[in-house]
Amino acid sequence: KAGVTQTPRYLIKTRGQQVTLSCSPISGHRSVSWYQQTPGQGLQFLFEYFSETQRNKGNFPGRFSGRQFSNSRSEMNVSTLELGDSALYLCASSLAAQNTEAFFGQGTRLTVV
Amino acid sequence: AQSVTQPDIHITVSEGASLELRCNYSYGATPYLFWYVQSPGQGLQLLLKYFSGDTLVQGIKGFEAEFKRSQSSFNLRKPSVHWSDAAEYFCAVGARAAGNKLTFGGGTRVLVKP
Repeated sequence: KAGVTQTPRYLIKTRGQQVTLSCSPISGHRSVSWYQQTPGQGLQFLFEYFSETQRNKGNFPGRFSGRQFSNSRSEMNVSTLELGDSALYLCASSLAAQNTEAFFGQGTRLTVV
Repeated sequence: AQSVTQPDIHITVSEGASLELRCNYSYGATPYLFWYVQSPGQGLQLLLKYFSGDTLVQGIKGFEAEFKRSQSSFNLRKPSVHWSDAAEYFCAVGARAAGNKLTFGGGTRVLVKP
């Protein structure tokens, strides 16, 4: 069974631009969560989607948004990029609605210059 | 709200020696607890999890962890470390009825000396 796939693996963007990251969960998994990892703040929860609905949201500004499609694939979008948005963005998929183990992708490394 | 503390930022251990990584959590009810490992530039791999039942849980790669409710701890152990265990380790807590959201500790970087 294929794992969680995140594309692209690396991105370089300029301040003020927007970016869209993609995540394909494990087949059959309906929950997708997104995390931001930085050296200063560690791993922080962005949001979770289940059956195309956002169920949880972390403490991030409205520039960070996401969505989930009917095939459970998810995208997250960051608008008006800031230097501080440079990070490793990790996607995790889970089988069921809650409290099931999360399987992580390799992440997308975003660098904002 | 739940929180996780990993008191040790770095640990250096000799190959073949035992390893123990500390994790303390704060949560009002019985939590779901996880240990993940991350190699440089990679995602997170689940080592083991505790949901309920036996407080000593076995994981992959020879790791085990013990849930101690009285101490709010979930320490990770390995009897004999291999050079390939050098990585960063994260403890995480999931809250009941909060979806699959995880709250992570700050991580412990493990260096293995030959």
